[in-house]
Amino acid sequence: NAGVTQTPKFQVLKTGQSMTLQCAQDMNHNSMYWYRQDPGMGLRLIYYSASEGTTDKGEVPNGYNVSRLNKREFSLRLESAAPSQTSVYFCASSVLGGDTEAFFGQGTRLTVV
Amino acid sequence: RKEVEQDPGPFNVPEGATVAFNCTYSNSASQSFFWYRQDCRKEPKLLMSVYSSGNEDGRFTAQLNRASQYISLLIRDSKLSDSATYLCVVNFGNEKLTFGTGTRLTIIP
Repeated sequence: NAGVTQTPKFQVLKTGQSMTLQCAQDMNHNSMYWYRQDPGMGLRLIYYSASEGTTDKGEVPNGYNVSRLNKREFSLRLESAAPSQTSVYFCASSVLGGDTEAFFGQGTRLTVV
Repeated sequence: RKEVEQDPGPFNVPEGATVAFNCTYSNSASQSFFWYRQDCRKEPKLLMSVYSSGNEDGRFTAQLNRASQYISLLIRDSKLSDSATYLCVVNFGNEKLTFGTGTRLTIIP
């Protein structure tokens, strides 16, 4: 049972480049999330998807887009990367919303130069 | 004011000691409360949920005080393997979890 799988694990981008972070879960969870983690800031929610076919903005959505491709997959896209988007990105999933345990992927360490 | 606030530490505690962390939250309508653990350069993982009546899991005890809007985590007989960052997490009655910035704990041999 793989749980939540994120790719890539590491990435270096130049300012202005675009990329998509992939996330897949095999636990049949309804809810999926993208967080970023910065020193001293904790985990901040970028976007979430309460169920297949829906997406909503979180605390820090600017500069990002998401796609809930199907129940398993939830991708995060940076259209024009900026140095301020240097961070560790975590994808997570839960059975149903914020009342249930969230399972996290291993994270993507992104550096924008 | 942050919605979920924690003392960032670091807490440096000798092995075998008892250590306690507090966390305050801003919304009295908050519904669910959790403690997550995050090891260095790893993903967060659920340590325990926090119930209104308080709950215990081995050496770990979690308490909720709704009147004062805080939750606590007590670790007894601390082990070297308890060294980690402990994240206070609250569900404010919506679909998402809000994380505190975490409290870093180091257990000293």
